Amino acid sequence: GAGVSQTPSNKVTEKGKYVELRCDPISGHTALYWYRQSLGQGPEFLIYFQGTGAADDSGLPNDRFFAVRPEGSVSTLKIQRTERGDSAVYLCASSFAGTGITDTQYFGPGTRLTVL
Amino acid sequence: DQQVKQNSPSLSVQEGRISILNCDYTNSMFDYFLWYKKYPAEGPTFLISISSIKDKNEDGRFTVFLNKSAKHLSLHIVPSQPGDSAVYFCAAHAGNYGQNFVFGPGTRLSVLP
Repeated sequence: GAGVSQTPSNKVTEKGKYVELRCDPISGHTALYWYRQSLGQGPEFLIYFQGTGAADDSGLPNDRFFAVRPEGSVSTLKIQRTERGDSAVYLCASSFAGTGITDTQYFGPGTRLTVL
Repeated sequence: DQQVKQNSPSLSVQEGRISILNCDYTNSMFDYFLWYKKYPAEGPTFLISISSIKDKNEDGRFTVFLNKSAKHLSLHIVPSQPGDSAVYFCAAHAGNYGQNFVFGPGTRLSVLP
C-alpha cells in the first residue's frame, strides 16, 4: 500500500477498558505523528516519533495515553482506563524525515474511537 | 484558547466562482502555514503552504495569501469545482514547537454545480 494505514477503522469500547490503535506509516518514512480530532475541531497534536524514539510527547493529555514505535515503523497508541471524553478520531501521519517544517505530513484515514 | 481560528464553519460557492477561506492566528511565533483538505472518511491531505517570509504562494487554482501584521491568511480557489467540496483546515507551525502543527477547527466548503 502506498499510503498511511490505520486499524481498526472503528473501535467501540466501554468506559474503563484498555484500547490499542495501530498505525502503519508509508514505507521509508522516519517520522510518525499521532493526532486526535474531536467533533467540530481540527486535529490536535499528541506525539511525534523520530525513528524509534518519541521526540515530542508534549501533546499527550495524561498518563493514560502512551505510544510506542519499537522498530521505527509501525506505531501503537495505547489508552488505559478509557473515558467517554476520549471519544474522537485518532489520526496518524508520517513524513519522510521530520527534520524540516516543510516536510509534508501524510495522514491516514483515522480510527474512530467511541467510549460508551 | 485557540491559537488558530477559522471563524466560518461553512461556506457555499457556485461552481466557477472564487472560494475564499479565511484563517486568523494569535501566536506571533508561527513561521510556517499550511492548508489541508479533508474528504469524509479520509485523512487530511496537504494542499498548499506558505512561509512567513512570503506574502503569497500560488499553485494552480490555489493561492494562499499571508498578512503578518494582521495575523491573517486566506486560501483562494479559482475557479471552484464541485470536487473542491471538502473541509479545509488551516495549520500553523512555530519554530519552538518541534515538528507538530496547530490546526484550526476547519471550514466546510460546498461548491454547488
